[in-house]
Amino acid sequence: DTGVSQDPRHKITKRGQNVTFRCDPISEHNRLYWYRQTLGQGPEFLTYFQNEAQLEKSRLLSDRFSAERPKGSFSTLEIQRTEQGDSAMYLCASLGVTSTDTQYFGPGTRLTVL
Amino acid sequence: QKEVEQDPGPLSVPEGAIVSLNCTYSNSAFQYFMWYRQYSRKGPELLMYTYSSGNKEDGRFTAQVDKSSKYISLFIRDSQPSDSATYLCAMSARTNAGKSTFGDGTTLTVKP
Repeated sequence: DTGVSQDPRHKITKRGQNVTFRCDPISEHNRLYWYRQTLGQGPEFLTYFQNEAQLEKSRLLSDRFSAERPKGSFSTLEIQRTEQGDSAMYLCASLGVTSTDTQYFGPGTRLTVL
Repeated sequence: QKEVEQDPGPLSVPEGAIVSLNCTYSNSAFQYFMWYRQYSRKGPELLMYTYSSGNKEDGRFTAQVDKSSKYISLFIRDSQPSDSATYLCAMSARTNAGKSTFGDGTTLTVKP
């Protein structure tokens, strides 16, 4: 257990439905990252928060994706009108404030869109 | 072409063998170099973390970074069946240490 938790661990949904995932980072970490990983590939960066501010979004993050981090604590990632191509593992990672801090990943949320 | 290329494997070795895993990269801005281990359907687990060039050893694991060649390696000595997993290299720039670019992973099987 890295201290980063994600919920749910698995989500099966039908195409066109909306889904929301939650990430709880390590409490003293102010930076939070979302990644997506498809089978046989490495994780790909989606978006990044420093405290409550969303500072960077990948071009992979289409308009159907939105992420929030209210009060700089937990974060949510919502996918609207899901498509089969959204099926993947969604990973959250957190990182502390100092230059020597290392990044810790959560267990991921596996999304299957039918 | 991807910024980070990783030997795809799969790799199968007998227990006790020395394993060498490698990645090359193209972005000169990368300063932080990581190796993660990932078991099936789990999140990546950080194994080794190196800043800039050089070697780092932790138990049976040694990480090497050669920035002049843009090449990093992970060596596993006395490999064990429990080392069977997918190994991911990752790297990031100093401007955003947590925004990592990953290789696609090498799947390792250590046979008893």
